[in-house]
Amino acid sequence: DTAVSQTPKYLVTQMGNDKSIKCEQNLGHDTMYWYKQDSKKFLKIMFSYNNKELIINETVPNRFSPKSPDKAHLNLHINSLELGDSAVYFCASSQDTGGPGWDEQFFGPGTRLTVL
Amino acid sequence: GQQLNQSPQSMFIQEGEDVSMNCTSSSIFNTWLWYKQEPGEGPVLLIALYKAGELTSNGRLTAQFGITRKDSFLNISASIPSDVGIYFCAGPPSNDYKLSFGAGTTVTVRA
Repeated sequence: DTAVSQTPKYLVTQMGNDKSIKCEQNLGHDTMYWYKQDSKKFLKIMFSYNNKELIINETVPNRFSPKSPDKAHLNLHINSLELGDSAVYFCASSQDTGGPGWDEQFFGPGTRLTVL
Repeated sequence: GQQLNQSPQSMFIQEGEDVSMNCTSSSIFNTWLWYKQEPGEGPVLLIALYKAGELTSNGRLTAQFGITRKDSFLNISASIPSDVGIYFCAGPPSNDYKLSFGAGTTVTVRA
């Protein structure tokens, strides 16, 4: 069983369209994340949800809207897609241990978005 | 988040050689992490370091948490073809709870 899964794996679309990427984790984790990896492979966090509540919201255009229907899912909806949105988007999850220190994040396989 | 300076950007090595890469930051880190990303996959955690001076091994991989808490290095000994990939350092700076990533070191191994 895949721990963190994303669909679709590849997404090719035209500028101006609206698209969604889905993420599911079966690890029972409390926290989920979306990262963007640009063409230079640089990874940057976009959002984080803990128990369905938004806890990290980096400086991301408001065309990007995360939605967490339940603890196991965090979807990413993107409106009015632009050329610069082309990237690989990674979902990740971690267990909030509540203690000091960092909780390991497990990453999904990524969704390669190409905007034409 | 704080951007980490990772070097080298890429490495082309012969099978059997040792590999060394490092990461520095202007901020103090409480945790240093090393991830590996293979083509078409997400990053996978290799080693986590939690204390200044800590030296940790995972098979042929060895990583150290710098004494100043502003740097870390990763060594791969006796490289094999499956070591190819992008290696990222990462960590949450002490003044931030978000994970910051280095730009990655791309390792290519020639048989």
